[in-house]
Amino acid sequence: KQEVTQIPAALSVPEGENLVLNCSFTDSAIYNLQWFRQDPGKGLTSLLLIQSSQREQTSGRLNASLDKSSGRSTLYIAASQPGDSATYLCAVRPNNDYKLSFGAGTTVTVRA
Amino acid sequence: DGGITQSPKYLFRKEGQNVTLSCEQNLNHDAMYWYRQDPGQGLRLIYYSQIVNDFQKGDIAEGYSVSREKKESFPLTVTSAQKNPTAFYLCASNLGEYQPQHFGDGTRLSIL
Repeated sequence: KQEVTQIPAALSVPEGENLVLNCSFTDSAIYNLQWFRQDPGKGLTSLLLIQSSQREQTSGRLNASLDKSSGRSTLYIAASQPGDSATYLCAVRPNNDYKLSFGAGTTVTVRA
Repeated sequence: DGGITQSPKYLFRKEGQNVTLSCEQNLNHDAMYWYRQDPGQGLRLIYYSQIVNDFQKGDIAEGYSVSREKKESFPLTVTSAQKNPTAFYLCASNLGEYQPQHFGDGTRLSIL
């Protein structure tokens, strides 16, 4: 059974600092990995999706890397802003199933 | 604008009562999903449907039921058999089983 872990559960940084969010998974036989953002009391917004054949994906200030063999993905957010404060979740899809396995998320606070 | 609409935003259930959560999408997506989110945990899949009139149990289907009579709609009923229904419920959809999932804004269910 795929286990997805996100450590730390929460972090607080001053505005302007770069954010590094970690996601680890136990089974490397994945089809893709997705990063989501969740604001309090809201649904999930997809940020980046990395296919298993890719090493990284970029969108604006966001960059996600994938090391499938070591079971890790990292989401980098450059020059953080207070508006980046949210919970960030990662989810992996296995090769042989379309059900996602989610991490519990990392709650980020960016201090002005 | 295309999207997923969940209603109501807040719902209260009395003991012994069944309640139904609504999920409607106008994205013309074939697949729809119901997830449960508890504090400090990742999303867990309750039910999913790949096509109209067909649905499958997820990891925590006990105490829940669904129907898929129309492509746009996938209502979830929380029955009295679900002894711990207090949670945040999220509906999602995607165009195909390997496409990114899009989420609604959720329904928060509490016990009276």
